[in-house]
Amino acid sequence: EADIYQTPRYLVIGTGKKITLECSQTMGHDKMYWYQQDPGMELHLIHYSYGVNSTEKGDLSSESTVSRIRTEHFPLTLESARPSHTSQYLCASRGGAENIQYFGAGTRLSVL
Amino acid sequence: QKEVEQNSGPLSVPEGAIASLNCTYSDRVSQSFFWYRQYSGKSPELIMSIYSNGDKEDGRFTAQLNKASQYVSLLIRDSQPSDSATYLCPRGQLTFGSGTQLTVLP
Repeated sequence: EADIYQTPRYLVIGTGKKITLECSQTMGHDKMYWYQQDPGMELHLIHYSYGVNSTEKGDLSSESTVSRIRTEHFPLTLESARPSHTSQYLCASRGGAENIQYFGAGTRLSVL
Repeated sequence: QKEVEQNSGPLSVPEGAIASLNCTYSDRVSQSFFWYRQYSGKSPELIMSIYSNGDKEDGRFTAQLNKASQYVSLLIRDSQPSDSATYLCPRGQLTFGSGTQLTVLP
């Protein structure tokens, strides 16, 4: 069973607010990922990390930032939320002998 | 980066039938292959992993891998309405294909 946690599960905020979406895993995985997914659409990679102090931008242009100060923690920050940021955000980690990727339950964000 | 193509979807099958889903890869480097299932509004979950040529069975699910043809398939026997979901192949280690939406009709 995957031990990867995202908080909050749901968030409704106003335009211009700064928010941080939390993601933690207890599996000791070096690789972590953030995806954005709209209903019925494919996953879009927005950030990834291959270890502490390593972060890269993904395919989807994003106004968010990430940090990786600890192996287990990979938070995503939006400095100024906009209605266009309304979406589901999925965090994942990869590792272990079989190099399997596990997903958190997601954060559903609504920006009014 | 590896490119992956999936069945053109969506796919509908009657309850009790065999559903067949396919992925092909454009590179010859991949050593591991995975199938994920994503229910509407939920996050993807791993349902099968396969590393060697041939078949791997897990309950009603069978993954078939042919590395020479760069082809991996997923067969779902005795399909149930609860199998209705989007099935995803990873595209390398970073992204996923658009997936195949499977609907099992009661």
